[in-house]
Amino acid sequence: NAGVIQTPRHKVTGKGQEATLWCEPISGHSAVFWYRQTIVQGLEFLTYFRNQAPIDDSGMPKERFSAQMPNQSHSTLKIQSTQPQDSAVYLCASSTGGREVFFGKGTRLTVV
Amino acid sequence: AQSVTQPDARVTVSEGASLQLRCKYSYSATPYLFWYVQYPRQGLQLLLKYYSGDPVVQGVNGFEAEFSKSNSSFHLRKASVHWSDSAVYFCAVSRTGNYKYVFGAGTRLKVIA
Repeated sequence: NAGVIQTPRHKVTGKGQEATLWCEPISGHSAVFWYRQTIVQGLEFLTYFRNQAPIDDSGMPKERFSAQMPNQSHSTLKIQSTQPQDSAVYLCASSTGGREVFFGKGTRLTVV
Repeated sequence: AQSVTQPDARVTVSEGASLQLRCKYSYSATPYLFWYVQYPRQGLQLLLKYYSGDPVVQGVNGFEAEFSKSNSSFHLRKASVHWSDSAVYFCAVSRTGNYKYVFGAGTRLKVIA
């Protein structure tokens, strides 16, 4: 079990460029979560999917952020027109559908 | 809305000493409670969880936590810390009908010789 795999581990984008972050959940897990971690805001919930369907995106910024789960084996978080304030560690997590979730190591996004 | 407070941003303890990290939550009903640990450049790892029943729950690596409904607290304890316990510890809650977590700000633990 390789755990939740997030790629890339580090990404640097220029202001205004697009960033796509990838997450491969643990095989057999039916729920995928995305969180954002910053020094100032701490850990914030962004969105989650169950059986590939979006369930709760209440934490997603209304503009520029989108998430998809096209199949059971991966989810993507896309940020359009990245801004310096988007710099953060983006954590993906998965679960069997219960409340205990398993986190990936995160993608550190730096917008310059 | 739910909220989680970890009042101590940093805690320093000597190796072999006991440890308590505090967590208080704000929620009208009993939430589901978790403690996670984050080592440098790593994701979060679950230490323990509380759903119901015995208010003292045991976790990995000698950690335990005690739920108190009257105090709305879920404090983490360890009888004897090791230098490898140095990390950031997060308390989290989720509520009935919703699987997302609300996290506290975290407590950075430093274990010194």
